Amino acid sequence: KAGVTQTPRYLIKTRGQQVTLSCSPISGHRSVSWYQQTPGQGLQFLFEYFSETQRNKGNFPGRFSGRQFSNSRSEMNVSTLELGDSALYLCASRSGTGYNEQFFGPGTRLTVL
Amino acid sequence: GNSVTQMEGPVTLSEEAFLTINCTYTATGYPSLFWYVQYPGEGLQLLLKATKADDKGSNKGFEATYRKETTSFHLEKGSVQVSDSAVYFCALISNYGGATNKLIFGTGTLLAVQP
Repeated sequence: KAGVTQTPRYLIKTRGQQVTLSCSPISGHRSVSWYQQTPGQGLQFLFEYFSETQRNKGNFPGRFSGRQFSNSRSEMNVSTLELGDSALYLCASRSGTGYNEQFFGPGTRLTVL
Repeated sequence: GNSVTQMEGPVTLSEEAFLTINCTYTATGYPSLFWYVQYPGEGLQLLLKATKADDKGSNKGFEATYRKETTSFHLEKGSVQVSDSAVYFCALISNYGGATNKLIFGTGTLLAVQP
């Protein structure tokens, strides 16, 4: 089974721009979660989507948004980029029933200049 | 709120040494506990997990036991290898009070194993 894939792997943007990151979960998995990893704040939960509905949201400003499609692929969008948004963005998928381990993708490294 | 505290790194060991990385947690109810590992330039890989008190998770020679009385989930390995060099994250999921699969992570511990 193919793992979680994230595209692009690396991205460089400038302040004020917006960016869209993509995540394809493991086949059959219906839940996708997003996390931000920075040296200062560590790993922080952004949001979780299940069957195209946002189920849970972390403590991030409204500039961070996401969605999930009917094929379970998910995108997250960050508008009006700030320098502090530079981070590794990780996507995790799980099957969606009961307690399931989350499988992480390799991440997208976003650099904001 | 729920939180995870793990020992500061870096931890530097010689090959074949014994490893312990301490992890304690604060959570309402009965969380599930996890150890994830991150190799340089990669995402997170689940190393092991435990879902109830006294469970022992194990994988690739690593072990951790869910201790409710001490709210701990310490990671151990009897003989580390250079290839174990990575950052290790302790994490929990607490579904108390409603469905959520939000992982709460510790700050990570860098392990460096020297030949």
